[in-house]
Amino acid sequence: EVQLVESGGGLVQPGGSLRLSCAASGFTFSTYTMNWVRQAPGKGLEWVAYISSSDSTIHYADSVKGRFTISRDNAKNSLYLQMNSLRAEDTAVYYCARGVVIVYFDYWGQGTLVSVSS
Amino acid sequence: QSVLTQPPSASGTPGQRVTISCSGSSSNIGSNYVYWYQQLPGTAPKLLIYRNNQRPSGVPDRFSGSKSGTSASLAISGLRSEDEADYYCATWDDRVSGVVFGGGTKVTVL
Repeated sequence: EVQLVESGGGLVQPGGSLRLSCAASGFTFSTYTMNWVRQAPGKGLEWVAYISSSDSTIHYADSVKGRFTISRDNAKNSLYLQMNSLRAEDTAVYYCARGVVIVYFDYWGQGTLVSVSS
Repeated sequence: QSVLTQPPSASGTPGQRVTISCSGSSSNIGSNYVYWYQQLPGTAPKLLIYRNNQRPSGVPDRFSGSKSGTSASLAISGLRSEDEADYYCATWDDRVSGVVFGGGTKVTVL
């Protein structure tokens, strides 16, 4: 059974940093692309970042470019999102999503909440 | 302001057919596949339609997708109470080199 479990969310002050993790199981992690997608409270979905299976290709949304870094460790079946210079507008539930190809998100985690507030 | 435009809400009675539109441009829908996601209250999104009109296994054939030019649509036929959810269209945008989502459509079963 495919499982994606996010962790690392919490309350952080504006300007602070946080590192999210996504533990994958039930499939060959190294053969799939991965993504982070977020959802602000009461709002719609916003794609954040994409990483190819071998991390040779990475894309970011303009809203996080230069502040967030997506990475993966195929040996540990894990996906990460390093978030720096956090802003109030980064407050959201962050989901990791497996991608067959980009945009084709066939499995999603349950999400982890990031709150940016003083 | 989302790159893809969806109506904020849609509704119907049980058994009716509901259609949700998703409008974009030549840089996104016009040149890439469209995907649809269903988000039930309090849960993570779920893939509903891929590559414009394909259903993953397990998705009822009551759900169908189509695309024409720079617009796409999701149709739900034989509407059921469990279809009450938010629905999002998504695609790749060549101009911004990123994934774009529609603003979402809340479907209510009256």
